Amino acid sequence: SDDLTQPPSVSVSPGQTASITCSGDVLSRQFAYWYRQKPGQAPVLIIYKDTERPPGIPERFSGSSSGTTVTLTISGVLAEDEADFYCQSSDNTGKSRIFGGGTKLTVL
Amino acid sequence: EVQLVESGGGLVEPGGSLRLSCAASGFIFNSHSLNWVRQAPGKGLEWVSFISGSSAYIYYADSVKGRFTISRDNAKDSLYLQMNSLRVEDTGIYYCAREGSGDLSPSLVYWGQGTLVTVSS
Repeated sequence: SDDLTQPPSVSVSPGQTASITCSGDVLSRQFAYWYRQKPGQAPVLIIYKDTERPPGIPERFSGSSSGTTVTLTISGVLAEDEADFYCQSSDNTGKSRIFGGGTKLTVL
Repeated sequence: EVQLVESGGGLVEPGGSLRLSCAASGFIFNSHSLNWVRQAPGKGLEWVSFISGSSAYIYYADSVKGRFTISRDNAKDSLYLQMNSLRVEDTGIYYCAREGSGDLSPSLVYWGQGTLVTVSS
């Protein structure tokens, strides 16, 4: 299956660590990418190729990978981190892009 | 500064057609692959289509294959999406997204602000 599965929601208190998982068979063969989307805005790339951070993305955002699961970790969560987060990869052919269903991060 | 500006959205009846455009600036247009990604109201992101810099490679999501056609005019720095036989479920914001260069490829690094397509009778 080329589906990517994310938890619909994650809640965390300010200053704590949030972890958002993304699971799918294709992740054992293809890289994962993470995007943050705030209400009314376009998505922003925050992690590429499983673990890399683009320029300008704070160090508290990190990515990891193990088998068929990738994880986005946000350390020292701030109120401004409240957003929807999407993982993305490619199908086995590398032609189609696939998005996970998204995870709403709530900062309590 | 990279800019992507979508246009062409609007209200259309089921079965109708619409052509979206994405005007690009701030980079060498023909050197980068582009994608259309859509988002239904209150829902997640859905990849729609991909086109390489030279238009040699074109891919579609199964949900739009045979109905939508992606194209680009490198002389005009513009990307297009011709949408035919539109369905209610095609309603949403359509984003134009550019892939990154070098190590950032094929991440969707740059996004436009989107154009809203509403399919309704």
